[in-house]
Amino acid sequence: QQPVQSPQAVILREGEDAVINCSSSKALYSVHWYRQKHGEAPVFLMILLKGGEQKGHDKISASFNEKKQQSSLYLTASQLSYSGTYFCGTASGAQKLVFGQGTRLTINP
Amino acid sequence: GAVVSQHPSWVICKSGTSVKIECRSLDFQATTMFWYRQFPKQSLMLMATSNEGSKATYEQGVEKDKFLINHASLTLSTLTVTSAHPEDSSFYICSARGPDSNQPQHFGDGTRLSIL
Repeated sequence: QQPVQSPQAVILREGEDAVINCSSSKALYSVHWYRQKHGEAPVFLMILLKGGEQKGHDKISASFNEKKQQSSLYLTASQLSYSGTYFCGTASGAQKLVFGQGTRLTINP
Repeated sequence: GAVVSQHPSWVICKSGTSVKIECRSLDFQATTMFWYRQFPKQSLMLMATSNEGSKATYEQGVEKDKFLINHASLTLSTLTVTSAHPEDSSFYICSARGPDSNQPQHFGDGTRLSIL
């Protein structure tokens, strides 16, 4: 079952914050976040493995609410380089990931 | 960081041709490789999972005789689109990962396949 991401698209001005949510109808084993720029390969951002876990580097962080079967990605003081499509990938025990439909983030100067 | 190389980057060929796409992990042992298909502005749809030395596991609806996957070594997996037709035109991306399912997948740059 494909996880659901929200919102589908976001337009921000440089310096603004954004939150991208990822929800699953199944119990989650882990959540992976990737960013893909147009015509390029997805780039790994981070993995969350445990309920309640929070991670971050630079100004991008994420949380994993295992009980709610959801994860959120937080981008603070956004930069132009943050533009792209963000995908969450969820694993429910098997080795494969199922990716959400993506959230298109546009950062304007 | 881990590097995955995918070739070719793009290919244009006539209908009926078979096309082979290579995916190589350059600096780590890829126990597991994944092949995805992505349509414009859409998500990554998993086609198959391959473990080194084993037969690939195909997702429901993916024809195994159409999309042949070989993962003969810890650094190389290939996807062959046999007798390709225009409806097979798409962006194909591979990813590779080590033995632990908690490790990240590292993606190749993708192959844009156009069948005339």
